[in-house]
Amino acid sequence: DAGVTQSPTHLIKTRGQHVTLRCSPISGHKSVSWYQQVLGQGPQFIFQYYEKEERGRGNFPDRFSARQFPNYSSELNVNALLLGDSALYLCASSWVGEETQYFGPGTRLLVL
Amino acid sequence: EDQVTQSPEALRLQEGESSSLNCSYTVSGLRGLFWYRQDPGKGPEFLFTLYSAGEEKEKERLKATLTKKESFLHITAPKPEDSATYLCAVRTGANSKLTFGKGITLSVRP
Repeated sequence: DAGVTQSPTHLIKTRGQHVTLRCSPISGHKSVSWYQQVLGQGPQFIFQYYEKEERGRGNFPDRFSARQFPNYSSELNVNALLLGDSALYLCASSWVGEETQYFGPGTRLLVL
Repeated sequence: EDQVTQSPEALRLQEGESSSLNCSYTVSGLRGLFWYRQDPGKGPEFLFTLYSAGEEKEKERLKATLTKKESFLHITAPKPEDSATYLCAVRTGANSKLTFGKGITLSVRP
């Protein structure tokens, strides 16, 4: 069975640019969450989406936004990139009502 | 605010030398405590979910336990392939937010 997939795997952007990251959940999973992981730290929660609605938001600025599509895939958008946005961006999916989340391989974003 | 602290930050073991990794937490209303393994540059790989104090789960050389204030990941007779960063996380609210610790980097020498 396919796990959570994310694209692209790596990305290099310059300050001020915009980026879109994509995630496809495990088949049957309807909840998708996004996390940011900087080097040496644990992942930090950005968003949860379920049934195309935002169900939770972490302590991130409005430059970060996301959406979920009818097939439960999701996009994370980041505007006006800063050097500090360089990180591994992780997507996780889960069954609704189940606590365990399964993570994708991540997208490594480097902002120069 | 939920807090998760993992110790030690790094652990070096000889192959076959058993040890334990600690995760202490301060939360209100625990809905689950999770252990993940993460290899460099990869996404976290799910290991265990624990829900209530006294619960234990095992998988191969790993055993996770939970009390009201902390969780332990016991590694019995580790092998070099067990080398990775081990992350602990808690879930408390109605949404899926996980709060992670910084992780413990385990290195097992042959």
